[in-house]
Amino acid sequence: DAGVIQSPRHEVTEMGQEVTLRCKPISGHDYLFWYRQTMMRGLELLIYFNNNVPIDDSGMPEDRFSAKMPNASFSTLKIQPSEPRDSAVYFCASLRGTLNYGYTFGSGTRLTVV
Amino acid sequence: SQQGEEDPQALSIQEGENATMNCSYKTSINNLQWYRQNSGRGLVHLILIRSNEREKHSGRLRVTLDTSKKSSSLLITASRAADTASYFCATDGGNTNAGKSTFGDGTTLTVKP
Repeated sequence: DAGVIQSPRHEVTEMGQEVTLRCKPISGHDYLFWYRQTMMRGLELLIYFNNNVPIDDSGMPEDRFSAKMPNASFSTLKIQPSEPRDSAVYFCASLRGTLNYGYTFGSGTRLTVV
Repeated sequence: SQQGEEDPQALSIQEGENATMNCSYKTSINNLQWYRQNSGRGLVHLILIRSNEREKHSGRLRVTLDTSKKSSSLLITASRAADTASYFCATDGGNTNAGKSTFGDGTTLTVKP
């Protein structure tokens, strides 16, 4: 298994531009999570899906953020318009059923908004 | 604020020594997890301990849980340079589903060869 795959690994964009981050979870995992990691705020849960349905998006900071999971093998996190304070590492993680084996994280997307 | 808070924030030891990191949390839990994060990488799951367990071992890792004090500790014995990483605890806040775990701020461990 290739694990959780995120793309791109690095993204540099100008303020005001739209940014789309992508995630392919592990096949058979029914939960998918988007986290954001910064030095100031640590690791924050943005949103999570169960069986492709958004369950809790209370961590999404603003309406500028949106996430979709059109099928079990793909999810996107979109920021429109992007701002410098959105600069962070964004992680996708997936899980099957229970926490027994913990979350499997992707390698993250490092986003820099200039 | 984060549900879990690790202590110390940073720890530097010599190879071969033991490293102990602590995690405190605020609300009841069903389980607590520990993760490792190498620089520039995603988190890797190390071990999960349930609320009815007091101690758990996995290789050189030993985790304890004291629900009365709402705290957990992670002990790495005979540390190696490859153990250099950040270590995070994560708690489920008593949620019955697998969804919402909250991560602490992490302990950065440096193991000097």
